[in-house]
Formats: sequence, C-alpha cells, structure tokens
Amino acid sequence: DQQVKQNSPSLSVQEGRISILNCDYTNSMFDYFLWYKKYPAEGPTFLISISSIKDKNEDGRFTVFLNKSAKHLSLHIVPSQPGDSAVYFCAASAKKDSNYQLIWGAGTKLIIKP
Amino acid sequence: DSGVTQTPKHLITATGQRVTLRCSPRSGDLSVYWYQQSLDQGLQFLIQYYNGEERAKGNILERFSAQQFPDLHSELNLSSLELGDSALYFCASSREAGPYNSPLHFGNGTRLTVT
Repeated sequence: DQQVKQNSPSLSVQEGRISILNCDYTNSMFDYFLWYKKYPAEGPTFLISISSIKDKNEDGRFTVFLNKSAKHLSLHIVPSQPGDSAVYFCAASAKKDSNYQLIWGAGTKLIIKP
Repeated sequence: DSGVTQTPKHLITATGQRVTLRCSPRSGDLSVYWYQQSLDQGLQFLIQYYNGEERAKGNILERFSAQQFPDLHSELNLSSLELGDSALYFCASSREAGPYNSPLHFGNGTRLTVT
C-alpha cells in the first residue's frame, strides 16, 4: 500500500524554466511533508518542508504547495539550474502510537537540460 | 557534508553471512534512523532509535537487528544474508524524535552486495 506516490519516475526541464515535481498521498492523517534531493552516491539532503496548517512554503528558488483537499503537494523550482539535476523524494509524516513515522515516495529523477 | 558518518562505504559478502553497518550521527542529534534502498526503489524505513531506546519499527526483517549505544552511535546487524538483501543502507539522524522542525540528515550510505 503506497501511501505516498510520486507518479513521474523522471522529468526533463530546460535550464531557466520552472520544474514542477508532484506528490500524492492517501493518508489524511499526514500532517507534515518534506522534500529531499539526492545526488548519486550521496545520501538525501533536506530541501524544504510544509506543515498541514499551511498551503505554501517558500525558500529561495524552492516553493512547496500543499492542497489538502486533493491530497497533493508539489515542489516548484524556479529558475531551474543544472545543479538541480537529481532525484527528488517527497515524504509525509503522521503520528502513530505517540511516535512519528516518515513515509517516502519512490522519487522523481529531474534532468535539467542546458 | 551532512555530519552523519557511515562505515564501511562498500561491503561485499556471501549468502548466509553476517555483517555490521555502523553509523555516527551528527553532533547533538539524539535520533538515528536506518533505511534500506533497493535498486531504483524508494527509501524503506527499517528502524529508529532515540537516545538509546528503540522508538519506531518499520519493515525490518527478523534477521536484522540494530542498537544505539550510549555515545549515540548505532549499528545495524544483518544476518543470514540473502541475495535480496543487496541494497544501499542509509543512516540518518535528527535532533528530536520526530521530523517536525527537525529534518533528518543522511549519511552517504553503505552499499551492500551479497553474492
């Protein structure tokens, strides 16, 4: 049962344009969402997060949008740069038995074309 | 550099063997998480420790075990290894027990190959 889905395994975007990465979730108990970036041979690196009480969070070129009614979040990167080429994971958190567990999507590989 | 150190970087071993993966968390972080990433798959949560105590358990096989020591470093023990255990094993750490305002910081992983 995939509670967090990233339906696009890969995405190709021209340098300078906007990259939009999407993530859907099924569990309405998720209340915190995170995006991570991963380069080959490295561990994932935290990018940006959003609480379910917000619908938008911005950090420089990165903006995350949350649509709770649609159970959908997206990461916008503007403008896209070659260094943004990486695999992007979204993750969602819910409290379970007084603990917290992060559920991860399978990732989307972003390729920025020069 | 995330500050999380994992050793070894690579490990090649045979089926049926036992290995130990080691993780040193970032200074000041009390939580340690272990994840498994099989080829081109997402991150599968295995287990979390917080300040020496097991905090949460994911899809960890009975052949696998972990612990967090008083100095907060952690070890993941994999035994009776099978070919399907070949994967990247990541350790992550965070300050708090949960991810809220305390993002996970990942090491660069240990690549385990079982032949």
